[in-house]
Amino acid sequence: KAGVTQTPRYLIKTRGQQVTLSCSPISGHRSVSWYQQTPGQGLQFLFEYFSETQRNKGNFPGRFSGRQFSNSRSEMNVSTLELGDSALYLCASSPGANTGELFFGEGSRLTVL
Amino acid sequence: GENVEQHPSTLSVQEGDSAVIKCTYSDSASNYFPWYKQELGKGPQLIIDIRSNVGEKKDQRIAVTLNKTAKHFSLHITETQPEDSAVYFCAANSGVEGNKLVFGAGTILRVKS
Repeated sequence: KAGVTQTPRYLIKTRGQQVTLSCSPISGHRSVSWYQQTPGQGLQFLFEYFSETQRNKGNFPGRFSGRQFSNSRSEMNVSTLELGDSALYLCASSPGANTGELFFGEGSRLTVL
Repeated sequence: GENVEQHPSTLSVQEGDSAVIKCTYSDSASNYFPWYKQELGKGPQLIIDIRSNVGEKKDQRIAVTLNKTAKHFSLHITETQPEDSAVYFCAANSGVEGNKLVFGAGTILRVKS
């Protein structure tokens, strides 16, 4: 079974631009979560989607948004990029609605200049 | 909300020795406690987990213990090998509906050969 796939793996943007990251979950998984990982803040929860509905949201500004499609694939968008948005963005999928088990992708490394 | 503290932040052991990483959590409603291993350039990988209805779980050289009364859980790695060198994260579910996890700050484990 293929794992969680995230694209692109690396990208460089400048301040003020916007970015869209994509995530394909493990086949059959309907829950997709997004995390931001930085050296200073560690792994921070962004949001979780289940069956196209956002179930939980972390403490991030409205510039961070996401969505999930009917095939469970998910995208997250960050608008008006700031230098502090440079991070590894991790997507994880889960086999159940409330199991807690998360299977992570390799991440998308975003650098904002 | 849930808060997870992890110690130590770095741990160096000689190959063949044991390594222990400890975490405490704050939300008494948490009932799922996974451990992740993250190697350089990769996403976190689930290595073992425990639910609140058991006190200990083993998988070959890895074991996890849980003390719900004290709200702490630990990862034990025996007979460490150089390939165990990585960053290890503990986590706890947030207690609300869904698959949200709150992560500890991580432990850098170095196994010296």
